[in-house]
Amino acid sequence: RKEVEQDPGPFNVPEGATVAFNCTYSNSASQSFFWYRQDCRKEPKLLMSVYSSGNEDGRFTAQLNRASQYISLLIRDSKLSDSATYLCVVRDYGQNFVFGPGTRLSVLP
Amino acid sequence: EPEVTQTPSHQVTQMGQEVILRCVPISNHLYFYWYRQILGQKVEFLVSFYNNEISEKSEIFDDQFSVERPDGSNFTLKIRSTKLEDSAMYFCASSEAASGSYEQYFGPGTRLTVT
Repeated sequence: RKEVEQDPGPFNVPEGATVAFNCTYSNSASQSFFWYRQDCRKEPKLLMSVYSSGNEDGRFTAQLNRASQYISLLIRDSKLSDSATYLCVVRDYGQNFVFGPGTRLSVLP
Repeated sequence: EPEVTQTPSHQVTQMGQEVILRCVPISNHLYFYWYRQILGQKVEFLVSFYNNEISEKSEIFDDQFSVERPDGSNFTLKIRSTKLEDSAMYFCASSEAASGSYEQYFGPGTRLTVT
């Protein structure tokens, strides 16, 4: 069974902190990787794709380690508005996407 | 900014009834998807659709479900003979074909309540 695993949290961090989330996937043939954020009772919103060389978008940095089959997301200088559930998503093959259960982040004032 | 839209936002139906959930994907996107999320659980892939046919489907997407692109803009999910356990949020998503990255953009969802 192909799975994507995440620590459910919650991660409670103060504003300005740096926080990191990890995600592991079971299918070594997985082809594409993404981080989404989901606010309570809302739709997932694309945060960033994750590339083999790692990539950065402002305060967010994503890394992929294919050998160990894990993906990470680093958030620097946390804002209150970063409070959400962060979803790790893996495209296994074709158009088959597997979502992780999400990691909940609360940024506290 | 173009976005995926879904109607209705909330649908209440009785067990055994048929429902049709509607989606309008982003206009230049060619891949369309349906997902469901039972309250408190993870997002689950149901089906993907490309070039007027299903490209992938999950174990959840059995004969009770069907999808259709009846015209150039709408993408629908039909659930026949609804069961209590079909109660969930149903999300539609779309992605471009050309980019190869398959980044998906989600609609706001339809909350289906089966009573």
